Amino acid sequence: SQTIHQWPATLVQPVGSPLSLECTVEGTSNPNLYWYRQAAGRGLQLLFYSVGIGQISSEVPQNLSASRPQDRQFILSSKKLLLSDSGFYLCAWSRRDPYEQYFGPGTRLTVT
Amino acid sequence: AQKITQTQPGMFVQEKEAVTLDCTYDTSDPSYGLFWYKQPSSGEMIFLIYQGSYDQQNATEGRYSLNFQKARKSANLVISASQLGDSAMYFCAMREGSHKLSFGAGTTVTVRA
Repeated sequence: SQTIHQWPATLVQPVGSPLSLECTVEGTSNPNLYWYRQAAGRGLQLLFYSVGIGQISSEVPQNLSASRPQDRQFILSSKKLLLSDSGFYLCAWSRRDPYEQYFGPGTRLTVT
Repeated sequence: AQKITQTQPGMFVQEKEAVTLDCTYDTSDPSYGLFWYKQPSSGEMIFLIYQGSYDQQNATEGRYSLNFQKARKSANLVISASQLGDSAMYFCAMREGSHKLSFGAGTTVTVRA
């Protein structure tokens, strides 16, 4: 069976500090990978998605970037965090078809 | 423009009763998919049910069923025989094209004993 891991589970970082969130998937190969952000009490906003190693598509211009160095690894980064980067970050994976996405446990980021 | 609309911010339901969560969508793409996810207080998003735009029958998964009315562009989720563990936030989402899921604002369901 497939599992998706995210770490850390919670993170408190000062404004201006760097960020690295990691997501890995087990039990499948060549998945589509996604990063979402959820503000408190709101729906999810797609940030990035990837259909293969080194292939990243950005959905919104922002202070964040993503990379996919390995088939089942997806990293969300920032060089300098802003207060507005606070939120709940969720990684997800899907097969090519039928596209339902399966989510990881999430990382709760607080920028102070 | 809002692609997914969930008009019920919160609902209360008695244990063992059924509850219907509303979802309407907007798209001009003839091929799309509709999803429902459950988010308990732990934060994890749990996939519940999927309906493709070309599916002839309404999707069902255990106690979950999707009331798909294509002409009205609605995809309501019905939870039958509610349980205390069903208390959570529920999100409707739509896939257009290959990758992007657009999510609604969600509906909080509270099941009362």
